[in-house]
Amino acid sequence: GAGVSQSPRYKVAKRGQDVALRCDPISGHVSLFWYQQALGQGPEFLTYFQNEAQLDKSGLPSDRFFAERPEGSVSTLKIQRTQQEDSAVYLCASSLGGLAYTSSTDTQYFGPGTRLTVL
Amino acid sequence: KQEVTQIPAALSVPEGENLVLNCSFTDSAIYNLQWFRQDPGKGLTSLLLIQSSQREQTSGRLNASLDKSSGRSTLYIAASQPGDSATYLCAVRITGNQFYFGTGTSLTVIP
Repeated sequence: GAGVSQSPRYKVAKRGQDVALRCDPISGHVSLFWYQQALGQGPEFLTYFQNEAQLDKSGLPSDRFFAERPEGSVSTLKIQRTQQEDSAVYLCASSLGGLAYTSSTDTQYFGPGTRLTVL
Repeated sequence: KQEVTQIPAALSVPEGENLVLNCSFTDSAIYNLQWFRQDPGKGLTSLLLIQSSQREQTSGRLNASLDKSSGRSTLYIAASQPGDSATYLCAVRITGNQFYFGTGTSLTVIP
């Protein structure tokens, strides 16, 4: 596609519900990132995929958060038993190269985000 | 852990004014630094990327500088326009996949 797309754009969940957020990266992009952006804050790194491999999940705040990218393209971020503190905008970004890409000019292209509100 | 700080948090200027946004980071071992723009309800758009070996980058009315040794970057916007109103974020890349963002500067350009 022309850019990174995310769905749904808005999600309201009751506390304790499970949610799944989808990211469609730019076709052919090797790297995929998930970020969490709280109101008035900058994005915070959650996890990183190189193709289908999840190489870094150090930013996931708890074991209720799970991400996958089974075929190296579309990715899903799942949050189980949502809590109010999970309310945030979840941003997905993709970039062309992977970790072996030696150039430091590889820019990230961001999707519009999914705004999650947990009541 | 790398910490990125942006000053000021908010800025309001009249149209046509030149302005400077500041970004500082605590660990100088970075691969690159990027400036992004974020419009309400939208994702981030990359404006300029400065490699660690570079001192500055320019694109149109935008100029970004990098002083890695002091942990500082500035984004200079010339002849500001109302369409420049947005939140500006800087981000540093410290390893292949680790990016740290500042909290942003909210810019309002008054017609």
